[in-house]
Amino acid sequence: GAGVSQSPRYKVTKRGQDVALRCDPISGHVSLYWYRQALGQGPEFLTYFNYEAQQDKSGLPNDRFSAERPEGSISTLTIQRTEQRDSAMYRCASSLDRKLFFGSGTQLSVL
Amino acid sequence: DAKTTQPPSMDCAEGRAANLPCNHSTISGNEYVYWYRQIHSQGPQYIIHGLKNNETNEMASLIITEDRKSSTLILPHATLRDTAVYYCIVRVADDYKLSFGAGTTVTVRA
Repeated sequence: GAGVSQSPRYKVTKRGQDVALRCDPISGHVSLYWYRQALGQGPEFLTYFNYEAQQDKSGLPNDRFSAERPEGSISTLTIQRTEQRDSAMYRCASSLDRKLFFGSGTQLSVL
Repeated sequence: DAKTTQPPSMDCAEGRAANLPCNHSTISGNEYVYWYRQIHSQGPQYIIHGLKNNETNEMASLIITEDRKSSTLILPHATLRDTAVYYCIVRVADDYKLSFGAGTTVTVRA
């Protein structure tokens, strides 16, 4: 596609529910990244993949957060048993030649 | 990754050059300097990166000091659309993790 596509654009959920956020990277991009961004702050690294391999998950806050990229293309970030503090913009990026290209993000609100 | 220090905010006049400083005194020999910007609620946008030499592209110029402990991003003719948060990041060549700090909020005024 023309750019990194994320869905849904907005997600409102109740505390305790699980959510799955999807990222469709730019075709041919090997690396895929997930970031979380609170209002007024810079993006916070969560995890990244090269092809289907998760290379670094040091930024995942706790074991309620997980990510996968089973076929080396589309990725899903899953948050289990959501809490209000999980509310944020979740951004995905794919990379070519060390340049990251970001999607529009998913705004998650946990009520 | 080495840490960077940027001023929290700066103003510049439309049509003038904007010079954005960044200190990275603990940078290692294999770390690149990257600049990204984030306009309003959009995702961050790549601007430029360099290792030792000065770099220029259609968006900006990057000047890195000889000791590599600081750099300056230059927007040659700032426009109102350049109003954004600008992030200076150092990143190990083989480490694909890109860590953002607080950045500099640049406001271009007419």
